[in-house]
Order: sequence, then structure tokens, then C-alpha cells
Amino acid sequence: QVQLQESGPGLVKPSETLSLTCAVSGYSISSGYYWGWVRQSPGKGPEWIGSFFHDGNTYYNPSLKSRVTISFETSKNQFSLKMNSVTASDTAMYHCARHIITGVSYGLYIWGQGTMVTVSS
Amino acid sequence: QSALTQPASVSGSPGQSITISCTGTTSDIADYNYVSWYQHHPGKAPKLMIYDVSKRPPGISPRFSGSKSGNTASLTISGLQAEDEADYYCSSYINSDSTWVFGGGSKLTVL
Repeated sequence: QVQLQESGPGLVKPSETLSLTCAVSGYSISSGYYWGWVRQSPGKGPEWIGSFFHDGNTYYNPSLKSRVTISFETSKNQFSLKMNSVTASDTAMYHCARHIITGVSYGLYIWGQGTMVTVSS
Repeated sequence: QSALTQPASVSGSPGQSITISCTGTTSDIADYNYVSWYQHHPGKAPKLMIYDVSKRPPGISPRFSGSKSGNTASLTISGLQAEDEADYYCSSYINSDSTWVFGGGSKLTVL
């Protein structure tokens, strides 16, 4: 059974960098599928942040692209999200997820429970 | 890209059918068959119910079906059950921009 688990600081100061990790169990991220990050701010709909394939192909939401980096470590079977210059508007529940079929254009099928990140001084 | 437009709330009685609409533009829903629907119970991870407009992932009840006409996608839930009460979000992949957009969500209440 494939499981994803997010981890990282729950509180980040404005202008600093948000760093989260997604640990994957039950499937090797180097075996296939796109893997990504989605966030949901309180009272709003979800927002896709970006997704990657183990060959290095990575797609980002154009509205966040300048501040976001998604990386992965196949040896640890995990991937990470870094978002710099955060503001209060980046306060959200952050989920990692796997797409249902190999291809970024297919729905996000397996999700982590999410980790809440608050941006505040 | 603008968010997709969904009704804020929908409701139905047990056993009835309801449809949630998701309106986009010619740049997203109309042009591509990459519409997905998610069910979200508060405190839980979102659950993929429909992808590629009308396909169901393994284990999803056939009571859930998806369709599309022009720039509007729809999720229909038949034989409503109490456990269907949740927030539902549509999303569409925009191939030209290589990005996903989501709707604002519809809260389904089972009366």
C-alpha cells in the first residue's frame, strides 16, 4: 500500500523559506508516476504547486514558479518542497500526492494527510 | 489562470441524485479532457473520485459519474448516502500552460 507522509515546521516567519519533505512508502518514486505538492488555504480551494518525474522533468504552477523548488532523493524515497520569501498568504495545509497515471495531466490519486504551515512572526 | 466556478453548496435527500457543475473557459475545460473531481471530508486527505472527465479510480462507487459539455464539467452522485456529505472540488489541467487549476469547492449536504 502506497503511503505519503509530509513533515516540516508548522510555523515559518515572513520572508523566510518554507521547507517540507514527503516520505513515500510502499512504492519507489524512481519506478514511475508523477509526484507533486498541493496546498489549501483556509476557506479556499486547493492550489497545485508543482509535480515532478524521477527523470527530472518538473512542472510548476506559473504563479508560484519563481519562489518554488521541488527536489527528490531516490535513495531516501522522498521528495521536498522549498518555497522562499513566504508571506501570510502562504499559510495553508500542504499535501504531497501521486498522480494516478504516469503523466502530470492526470488526477492526483494518492495523498498524504497534509501538514499545516502558518506564516507568522 | 482563473479558478473554475462551482456552486458554493448543493443538497439532496438520501437516495436522490445531485449534480455539481464546474464552469471553466475555452482555455481549460473546453479544450482538454483532463478534468478531475475530488471529495474532501474535513480533517482527511482529498480523495480522487473522477479523472479524465469520466473515469473512476479503482474502488470508487459507480454512483459517482462525470461528464463534460463545452466549458462545463459535471459530477453526478446518484443514490445519495449520508457519507457522501463532503466538499467536492473540480480541477482541470491546462496543457498549454502545463498547470492545474481548481474550483472553489461545493459543499454537499445530505438532508
